[in-house]
This record gives sequence, C-alpha cells and structure tokens, in this order.
Amino acid sequence: QLQLQESGPGLVKPSETLSLTCTVSGGSISSSDYYWGWIRQAPGKGLEWIGTIYYTGSTYYNSSLKSRLAISVDTSKSQFSLKLSSVTAADTAMYYCARRGALYDSSGIYNWFDPWGQGTLVTVSS
Amino acid sequence: DIQMTQSPSSLSASVGDRVTITCRASQSIKRFVNWYQQKSGQAPKLLIYAASSLQSGVPSRFSGSGSGTDFSLTITSLQPEDFATYYCQQSYSTPSITFGQGTRLEIK
Repeated sequence: QLQLQESGPGLVKPSETLSLTCTVSGGSISSSDYYWGWIRQAPGKGLEWIGTIYYTGSTYYNSSLKSRLAISVDTSKSQFSLKLSSVTAADTAMYYCARRGALYDSSGIYNWFDPWGQGTLVTVSS
Repeated sequence: DIQMTQSPSSLSASVGDRVTITCRASQSIKRFVNWYQQKSGQAPKLLIYAASSLQSGVPSRFSGSGSGTDFSLTITSLQPEDFATYYCQQSYSTPSITFGQGTRLEIK
C-alpha cells in the first residue's frame, strides 16, 4: 500500500525559506503512470494546489506561487521536495503531499490526487 | 483560472438522510471533476473521480453526476462517519487544478 509522509520544520521565520520533503513508500516514485504533488490548506480554509512534479524532474507550479517556488525529486531516496522562499504569515498552512493518478479516454486525461500524506503544519512566525 | 463554486457552504442533516452537494464551474469542464472528503484533523480522501466514477473502497452510498459546468455529489442514507467537509476539484486545466471552497456537512 502506497504511503506518503511529509517532513520538515514546523516553524519558519518571515522572509526565510520553507523546506519540506515527502517520502514515498510502498511503491515506486519513478513509475511512469504517476505525478506527485503538493497541496496546502491555511487554518480553517480550503485547499490550494501548490505544484506537481514528474519523476523526470518536469515541474508545474501554481502561477501565484511560481516566483517563490521550487519543487524537486530525488528518485534514489524516493522523495520529492518543496522549497518556498520569502515566506510570510500568509504561507502558514497544513502542507500535504499526494500522488496524482490518471485515467485516459477519448475525452482526455482525467487525473486526481490519491493517496495523500497526513500533512505537516508549517507556521510562519518570528 | 477556472473557479469552482460549491453550494451550500454548510449543511445540517440527520443520520439516514439523503443529501446533495453541488459544484459549479466557471466554464465548461466536461466531466473533469473529482470529489474529496475531509474529516477533522485528517487529509482529504478521494471519493469520486471523472465526475461519476467511485474510487475503490468508497461505499456505494456516495455517487457523483454532472457534466459541463454543473456537478453534484449525493450521499444516500447518511452514516455517522459521513459528517465531514467535502471538496470538488477540477482537473480540466491540468496541471493547474483548483478546488471548490468546501461544504461542511454537520449533524442536525
């Protein structure tokens, strides 16, 4: 059974860089069938897609975060990582990693996030 | 960006009730909609993908329908474990995806 686990500091100072890692177990991060993503949720708020990466290193970012964001993958460690620079209190959130699955048919490529990691809370505060 | 608007924002219902949550897209997205359930303190869980396909292991009392701009998630015969927040998500503009704002389902 595939499992994902987020890790990283729970407290980051304003203007610094938030760094998180997602470790994948029970399956291969190098599978050609899947992409890997980060999603966050501010306290009491909804879900916001951050970005997605393929095992080859191809990345796709939320345009609102793109200038501060870097997502990378280390297939040898079965990990992918998130770096968000110049953080402010608005970046305080639960950060989730997840696998993006897909289904192909004549209409196009359907995709979804499943499963998700348990999430890690990051607070931006001095 | 494609906006996803859910209604209602919150809903009170009783065990055994049938409830429907709707999601409207700001443009046609064919059937590129997924539904997730999030219980308090937990990560979201996929319920429905491609508008109406039930994810493996999800009870059959959950169903999804719709196409174009209007979609719905229906839960027949609510169970105590179904009280949670539900989110729709569009994948039409993949890789850039967006979620609805959520619908909180509470016990009456």
